[in-house]
Amino acid sequence: QFVLTQPPSVSAAPGQKVTISCSASSSSIGNNYVSWYQQVPGTAPKLLIYDNNKRPSGIPDRFSGSKSGTLATLGITALQTGDEADYYCGAWDDSLSAEVFGGGTKLTVL
Amino acid sequence: EVQLVQSGAEVKKPGESLTISCKTSGYSFTTYWISWVRQMPGKGLEYLGKIDPTDSYTTYSPSFQGHVIISVDKSISTAYLQWRSLQASDTAMYYCARLSPFDMWGQGTMVIVSS
Repeated sequence: QFVLTQPPSVSAAPGQKVTISCSASSSSIGNNYVSWYQQVPGTAPKLLIYDNNKRPSGIPDRFSGSKSGTLATLGITALQTGDEADYYCGAWDDSLSAEVFGGGTKLTVL
Repeated sequence: EVQLVQSGAEVKKPGESLTISCKTSGYSFTTYWISWVRQMPGKGLEYLGKIDPTDSYTTYSPSFQGHVIISVDKSISTAYLQWRSLQASDTAMYYCARLSPFDMWGQGTMVIVSS
């Protein structure tokens, strides 16, 4: 099984770019896909990225995802104040037969 | 429009039972598994388990196995999360979400367990 580790917080200025990392503790994450979710305080999470790098309909291309080995990364360009939220990565753990979520990263747009 | 609408907030005492619901619409209910996710106050997301609405086949996270029960009623396109004996540590927001990945979420049901 694996643990997904995210930085507790990141910050950047409006218009800038930020990346949020999601590191798996074990190579047992294997070829499993990583998803990313945005949660604005007081609201339900929203899917931003699935299958490592795909965006659902309606998600702007300012949001991007990548995965290499045990490291997944969410990128957000042209930051807006409305992007302030908590961001979670998630991946399926075959050994647990359960979804594992990272601890979440709070994005502050200064 | 796909919607997952959850039942309202609940305040319960330790030891009491509870069932919360997640009514879906806008898609074929049996096409997607439904999952439940917990978020304790000020904390992150935790996966509880999932159910296949076609045949009610259910799997649970080892952390929640035996403490919650997930079920569905296909006739009304609704999923349920049930506790037989609540504990104070069950106080949290609970979300249903359509799999997979978790592409659509309910608005959440707040459960408060306090004596």
